Amino acid sequence: EAQVTQNPRYLITVTGKKLTVTCSQNMNHEYMSWYRQDPGLGLRQIYYSMNVEVTDKGDVPEGYKVSRKEKRNFPLILESPSPNQTSLYFCASSFLRWQGQKFSRSPLHFGNGTRLTVT
Amino acid sequence: AQTVTQSQPEMSVQEAETVTLSCTYDTSESDYYLFWYKQPPSRQMILVIRQEAYKQQNATENRFSVNFQKAAKSFSLKISDSQLGDAAMYFCAYRSAYNNNDMRFGAGTRLTVKP
Repeated sequence: EAQVTQNPRYLITVTGKKLTVTCSQNMNHEYMSWYRQDPGLGLRQIYYSMNVEVTDKGDVPEGYKVSRKEKRNFPLILESPSPNQTSLYFCASSFLRWQGQKFSRSPLHFGNGTRLTVT
Repeated sequence: AQTVTQSQPEMSVQEAETVTLSCTYDTSESDYYLFWYKQPPSRQMILVIRQEAYKQQNATENRFSVNFQKAAKSFSLKISDSQLGDAAMYFCAYRSAYNNNDMRFGAGTRLTVKP
C-alpha cells in the first residue's frame, strides 16, 4: 500500500530534550516536506526537500532540523524543544516530473500526523 | 506572497442537505493549482478535489464540486447530499505553478453534519 508513515503518532516530552520524528514514504517520491498545524493558522511549512541531500527552509524553520540521506526518509529533528513547538506535525511527499519547460509536482500525499506536546 | 483565506471557521449542515464552504486567495500569478483537503477526526489529510487555474471548467468529484471564479479569486467547495462521514475540518490550499514549493493553506473550516 502506498503510504507516508510517521512515527510516533503521539509524543509528550519536556523542554530541551532532543527528539526526532521519523517520516518514510514507499512511493519513490522526490519531494518531501514537513508542516505544522496550529488552530487558526492552518498548515505552515517547516522544511522541504526536492531530492536526496537537497533540503531548504520553509516558512517556520526556527528550532527544527531535517536531513535527507535516503530518498524514502525525511526525519524532523528538534534539538531543544520548547513549549511553542507544541503542535500537530505532518510529513508529506509527492512526485516531481519534468513537463515541458518546468518541473511539476503531483498533489501532496500526507502522513497521519504526530501530535507533539512539549511541557 | 500568496495568501489563502477561509472566512468561515465553523459551518454546519443537516444530513442530506447541501453546504458550501468559502475560500478566497490572493495572488498575482496567472497559473496555479487549488485544492480542498479534508481532515476527519483521524487527522488524516485527504485530497478531496483539485482545480487547475487554466481550466475554466469547475472540477467535480462525486458529491463534491467547486465554484472557481478566477477573476474574483474565489474557490468554494460545494458538498451535496451531505453525509455524517463528511464531518471534518476542510482546508483550502493554493500552489504556484511556477514554484513547486510554494503551497499555502487556509486556516480551515470545521464542518458539522447534523443527523
